[in-house]
Amino acid sequence: KNQVEQSPQSLIILEGKNCTLQCNYTVSPFSNLRWYKQDTGRGPVSLTIMTFSENTKSNGRYTATLDADTKQSSLHITASQLSDSASYICVVTTATGGGNKLTFGTGTQLKVEL
Amino acid sequence: GEEVAQTPKHLVRGEGQKAKLYCAPIKGHSYVFWYQQVLKNEFKFLISFQNENVFDETGMPKERFSAKCLPNSPCSLEIQATKLEDSAVYFCASSQLRQGSNTEAFFGQGTRLTVV
Repeated sequence: KNQVEQSPQSLIILEGKNCTLQCNYTVSPFSNLRWYKQDTGRGPVSLTIMTFSENTKSNGRYTATLDADTKQSSLHITASQLSDSASYICVVTTATGGGNKLTFGTGTQLKVEL
Repeated sequence: GEEVAQTPKHLVRGEGQKAKLYCAPIKGHSYVFWYQQVLKNEFKFLISFQNENVFDETGMPKERFSAKCLPNSPCSLEIQATKLEDSAVYFCASSQLRQGSNTEAFFGQGTRLTVV
């Protein structure tokens, strides 16, 4: 069964600190992996998209890594800000003949405090 | 438009009533997807469209759920005879290329359906 697991489930950090969120997946065959940020009451917004051949991708203070061999990804947030408080969702795409499918992780709820 | 517009933002229905949700994709996007978020972050794929044609409906509970994307109209998701377990946030997303390709999928802000 295709699954995407994220850890930790929730995280509280102080403003200015760094943090790393983890994503493990068993999705196969793999097409790409995305990290989304979902603010409360809003739709998910894409942060990064990585294909099999990409090991790292940055978007401002967000840096995602991908190890396709171990099927693990991480999202590193540098110098956190209060506005980073949100849910971060790892989404893996399965390449199937009938049309690709997105498998969503359960997310990491991040809270940044003063 | 430049964003995916979903209406209404909130919808309350009594059990057994009909619910209809709307989604206007970003202009120029050929693909529309519907997702159901029952628990926080538990996204379930329902259906996707390529223009007005159903592309993938493997996630749809067909006995009560239906969806359409007609030309020059917002896409719609309709639930007949709603049940308590249909309470969820329903997200619509659109993209230029099909789901899963390395192109961006943009999500709307969702419609929160509460069945009482």
